[in-house]
Amino acid sequence: AQSVTQLGSHVSVSEGALVLLRCNYSSSVPPYLFWYVQYPNQGLQLLLKYTSAATLVKGINGFEAEFKKSETSFHLTKPSAHMRDAAEYFCAVSSMANQAGTALIFGKGTTLSVSS
Amino acid sequence: ETGVTQSPTHLIKTRGQQVTLRCSSQSGHNTVSWYQQALGQGPQFIFQYYREEENGRGNFPPRFSGLQFPNYSSELNVNALELDDSALYLCASTSARDRASNEQFFGPGTRLTVL
Repeated sequence: AQSVTQLGSHVSVSEGALVLLRCNYSSSVPPYLFWYVQYPNQGLQLLLKYTSAATLVKGINGFEAEFKKSETSFHLTKPSAHMRDAAEYFCAVSSMANQAGTALIFGKGTTLSVSS
Repeated sequence: ETGVTQSPTHLIKTRGQQVTLRCSSQSGHNTVSWYQQALGQGPQFIFQYYREEENGRGNFPPRFSGLQFPNYSSELNVNALELDDSALYLCASTSARDRASNEQFFGPGTRLTVL
């Protein structure tokens, strides 16, 4: 079975500071990995995805993530936080659901707060 | 290009009732997945529909059922509502091109409250 662990349910940074959100995954097969962002009362928006093409993945809004197989990690970073980055962030791994079809397995999420 | 849309946005039901939630997939997307997101939690996979057939199911009881129509839109039906069914229900669609990588595009969700 596949699973995702997001370390730290809440991360607080100052505007302009480095953002680091941690994600570790468990998978018996090469995974597809995703980071989604959710703003209050909204659905999920895809930030970036890893599909084995390159270990360093660049996404929208200045975010990037690095796939490290040896550490089973896919941490999300942004060099300089903006107030508008305050949201809930979810890491997800792609899984084969039952005998066919594919589900996304999500972590519990990390709330990012940005202070001025 | 129209994104994933869901209706209604909010819904209040009482325990034991039945509810139907609707989803229109993004243009050209033929796969629809449904997720339940309880407050403070990550989304949990309910099931997926592809070519009008259920194509995978998570750990949800049979009272959660669905449909996909020829235009790829979908419905989620929940019978005999329980208090724990209160959650945000998210619909996501995937294009034929993205099926291999399972990139899913999410709608805004339907907030269901069961009293």
